[in-house]
Amino acid sequence: DSGVTQTPKHLITATGQRVTLRCSPRSGDLSVYWYQQSLDQGLQFLIQYYNGEERAKGNILERFSAQQFPDLHSELNLSSLELGDSALYFCASSVEGGSFTGELFFGEGSRLTVL
Amino acid sequence: EDQVTQSPEALRLQEGESSSLNCSYTVSGLRGLFWYRQDPGKGPEFLFTLYSAGEEKEKERLKATLTKKESFLHITAPKPEDSATYLCAVQAFHRGSSNTGKLIFGQGTTLQVKP
Repeated sequence: DSGVTQTPKHLITATGQRVTLRCSPRSGDLSVYWYQQSLDQGLQFLIQYYNGEERAKGNILERFSAQQFPDLHSELNLSSLELGDSALYFCASSVEGGSFTGELFFGEGSRLTVL
Repeated sequence: EDQVTQSPEALRLQEGESSSLNCSYTVSGLRGLFWYRQDPGKGPEFLFTLYSAGEEKEKERLKATLTKKESFLHITAPKPEDSATYLCAVQAFHRGSSNTGKLIFGQGTTLQVKP
């Protein structure tokens, strides 16, 4: 158990809809990361937050947005969903701020299926 | 463009049959190279961080090495419980960028160890 909690574990929805994925990081971790894993693209970095502020951005679509709240949990919002958005969405956390060591603690993921 | 390529895609070994997994990378500058293990239905689990050519890290039956263009994950006398997908990732250095957790992952090598 990594200590990172993601909900929901599974989500089935229709094209055009909007969903919210939630992540609670490990106790004490200030950084939260979102990654998308699909069969053809592998694990792709979406966005990182550190202590409530956006720290780094990957190829995150404009239809997607995220935030980190004062209690450090994070939410990833996916809107105007398309079939191609079907994937596993992982949240990860780490304790560092300015000195990244590479040790990310991943949750078990939220599997999104868009029909 | 920063890129990570892993080979082979899949590897089947008999218990006790040692082998190596390859990770070749192309980045403008390397901050660090990381190995993760991912079991089916789970999030990736951190194994190693390597920072500079010539560096080696070991953990049980696993040993990771790094050169200027590639990394190897050597598996000595594997056991069935070593079966998993092994992911390689790099953190690239870009002038003016801060040290963030934006990792570029390879597609992974799926290892199956038969008893």
